[in-house]
Amino acid sequence: GENVEQHPSTLSVQEGDSAVIKCTYSDSASNYFPWYKQELGKGPQLIIDIRSNVGEKKDQRIAVTLNKTAKHFSLHITETQPEDSAVYFCAAHASGGSYIPTFGRGTSLIVHP
Amino acid sequence: GAGVSQSPSNKVTEKGKDVELRCDPISGHTALYWYRQSLGQGLEFLIYFQGNSAPDKSGLPSDRFSAERTGGSVSTLTIQRTQQEDSAVYLCASSLDPGLAVGEQFFGPGTRLTVL
Repeated sequence: GENVEQHPSTLSVQEGDSAVIKCTYSDSASNYFPWYKQELGKGPQLIIDIRSNVGEKKDQRIAVTLNKTAKHFSLHITETQPEDSAVYFCAAHASGGSYIPTFGRGTSLIVHP
Repeated sequence: GAGVSQSPSNKVTEKGKDVELRCDPISGHTALYWYRQSLGQGLEFLIYFQGNSAPDKSGLPSDRFSAERTGGSVSTLTIQRTQQEDSAVYLCASSLDPGLAVGEQFFGPGTRLTVL
């Protein structure tokens, strides 16, 4: 089955710095890669996603890049703000077969004012 | 519009008791997932429902865990004879039919279960 590795497990940055979280996956059939943000006491919420026919996607301060050959994808947050502090999860999902996404173990991002 | 709702938000029970957790998915979402999240941990898949198909129960940790989905909408996760290691946040998510196109999962706020 699919295996998703996520690094780092914790990331501490100063406000205004950039943050990068990386994930690798094992199943070449995976073709949908969402990123979820989970704030304390809440359920995860999608912040950005990318499909395998695209190499990069950007939404304001957030961007995701995908390298299908190397089977890795990354979340980039620029100009970080304290409200970006949360746990971020990556996931890999394949069309067909099992419709159950595989999640990374999460990255706790702390943005210091 | 209304998102995914879960009840109760918190549940404290004694070891050995049975508990029922409820999930109301977004209207029109045919796929429903249950996950377990232990303190500071990732998302552990439990069970997946899609329309009227047989559920995928491959993530249920033991036969003490079961779930049903009535009328293709509301789902109930039941844990029998609870153990302390069952203490966790139980998250429910729904989505459109992934057989058409995999996409975003919408998560509820979770039920925090504490087994004393």
